[in-house]
Amino acid sequence: DGGITQSPKYLFRKEGQNVTLSCEQNLNHDAMYWYRQDPGQGLRLIYYSQIVNDFQKGDIAEGYSVSREKKESFPLTVTSAQKNPTAFYLCASRGADTQYFGPGTRLTVL
Amino acid sequence: GESVGLHLPTLSVQEGDNSIINCAYSNSASDYFIWYKQESGKGPQFIIDIRSNMDKRQGQRVTVLLNKTVKHLSLQIAATQPGDSAVYFCAEILFSSGSARQLTFGSGTQLTVLP
Repeated sequence: DGGITQSPKYLFRKEGQNVTLSCEQNLNHDAMYWYRQDPGQGLRLIYYSQIVNDFQKGDIAEGYSVSREKKESFPLTVTSAQKNPTAFYLCASRGADTQYFGPGTRLTVL
Repeated sequence: GESVGLHLPTLSVQEGDNSIINCAYSNSASDYFIWYKQESGKGPQFIIDIRSNMDKRQGQRVTVLLNKTVKHLSLQIAATQPGDSAVYFCAEILFSSGSARQLTFGSGTQLTVLP
């Protein structure tokens, strides 16, 4: 997992609630990414940020929001607008061309 | 759009044998390829990478081969061990798609090492 941490490891959300997933890195990487992984499937890009105070939508940004106020931190908020949020969420940061991943947060909607 | 895919969803090998995991990619312009290993409930772990100007790269017990003629990537694991059991993803990057260096992932191959 390198120098990337995600918390919490498991998260439960009730219908209609917003929840925020934490991602921190101490690798001094400029670029950070959020992915969603569903069972038996590959990773899909939600949002990415190439520099502080800047971020871009990925392929499945609807129902999610992010912020990038610090280089080390890239939190992801799963809003009530996301209709099927139960999934494994992975944060990554990029050094040169290679992305390195955190341990993931498993979000379950009750 | 173009995407990376895998030939086989599952692969079972005997402990001690060599494993070969295959990946087909459709974008002939891709510049860089990465193999990741993902154990159950964990994040993907970088294994090895290769650039499009190379056809082979070796790491510790792993070798990646790139055949640009048929757009095929393979990961070879020597003397497969029980700890190698995991899902293996290949991913590609097209540098001209922008400085974001977005990865395109395949769905993965589940490697199971039999005792």
